[in-house]
Amino acid sequence: GDSVTQMEGPVTLSEEAFLTINCTYTATGYPSLFWYVQYPGEGLQLLLKATKADDKGSNKGFEATYRKETTSFHLEKGSVQVSDSAVYFCALSEGAAGNKLTFGGGTRVLVKP
Amino acid sequence: DADVTQTPRNRITKTGKRIMLECSQTKGHDRMYWYRQDPGLGLQLIYYSFDVKDINKGEISDGYSVSRQAQAKFSLSLESAIPNQTALYFCATSDSQTRGETQYFGPGTRLLVL
Repeated sequence: GDSVTQMEGPVTLSEEAFLTINCTYTATGYPSLFWYVQYPGEGLQLLLKATKADDKGSNKGFEATYRKETTSFHLEKGSVQVSDSAVYFCALSEGAAGNKLTFGGGTRVLVKP
Repeated sequence: DADVTQTPRNRITKTGKRIMLECSQTKGHDRMYWYRQDPGLGLQLIYYSFDVKDINKGEISDGYSVSRQAQAKFSLSLESAIPNQTALYFCATSDSQTRGETQYFGPGTRLLVL
């Protein structure tokens, strides 16, 4: 079955540092890939997505590129802020599975001033 | 106003009690989902509904049931709550007409079963 593996946290960074969160996936078809973010006390919200190979999703300074050859969708941000402190989830959705989301375990990121 | 709402936001109950969590949406989406979140495990799908007459079990449906009362409403019931159902529960919606459809999540219900 489909699965998503992402690096475990917590990841602690200083403000303006570079952030990378690794995500790899296993899927039988051609999934769409997502990064969701969960701020403290809130539900998940979509950060960015990519629907086909080599697509780059971007939002709020975050980027991720759909790499079919390495089955990866790593999240990056060049200069993090304290407000980026949150839990980040990588997920995939496969049409053959009715577009249900399969989530990774989440990575908690803490940005210190 | 929030597009996806969940009630209650917090609930404490005792083992063996029946409880219902409710979800409503104003996005006009046809698909709705229930997930539970446990620390370090991401989200696991409990049930999902692609329209009012289409209900499907997810990965962890045992001990849960659902009802899709209308396109905008999707309820999750715990028939006889047990402590290991203590978790954060999220409802989500999506539009089947969009490729790579995004799911939109409610704020969550924190459930504690004593």
